[in-house]
Amino acid sequence: DARVTQTPRDKVTEMGQEVTMRCQPILGHNTVFWYRQTMMQGLELLAYFRNRAPLDDSGMPKDRFSAEMPDATLATLKIQPSEPRDSAVYFCASGTRSDTQYFGPGTRLTVL
Amino acid sequence: GIQVEQSPPDLILQEGANSTLRCNFSDSVNNLQWFHQNPWGQLINLFYIPSGTKQNGRLSATTVATERYSLLYISSSQTTDSGVYFCAVVGGTSYGKLTFGQGTILTVHP
Repeated sequence: DARVTQTPRDKVTEMGQEVTMRCQPILGHNTVFWYRQTMMQGLELLAYFRNRAPLDDSGMPKDRFSAEMPDATLATLKIQPSEPRDSAVYFCASGTRSDTQYFGPGTRLTVL
Repeated sequence: GIQVEQSPPDLILQEGANSTLRCNFSDSVNNLQWFHQNPWGQLINLFYIPSGTKQNGRLSATTVATERYSLLYISSSQTTDSGVYFCAVVGGTSYGKLTFGQGTILTVHP
């Protein structure tokens, strides 16, 4: 049963620390998305890649967030330095161009 | 960008009851998905339904793309149906980016 995996599942860190979240998309999916869920904003897109190339990162705060896809089996989302307002659940999803997107279990980030 | 509105925001049911959740969207869509977010936070795919009607067990969905709405039907509800139901769409020029509604919080009591 193919599924998107994310690590870590939970992360607690202090303000100013670097945070790295990782995602393994479903094999064969060429599009990878990063979403963030908060109580105030709901689910919102941060960035996405197609065939490992970044297509849109307009949803990310550029000064502290970065997203990369070093190979077809790994996507990363980094926050440096982290702030309390970054506390949220971060989801990775993968799919093909116009088909169903499948979501990972999420990384729950708490920045103290 | 495209707007997605879901109704009702909250719904409380007794086990065994039926319900209809609605999703309105403001523009043409290439993709529409319904998700169930369970109490553990997992987003579970229910339907990929940019148009037409689909059924999966006690759940069914209908999207009328020309009138810009989709409906999710839950029949004979169970306590395990509790959670948040999201509708999400990809607008005509959004190249795969899902825009989510605010969700419907469903609580099913035994």
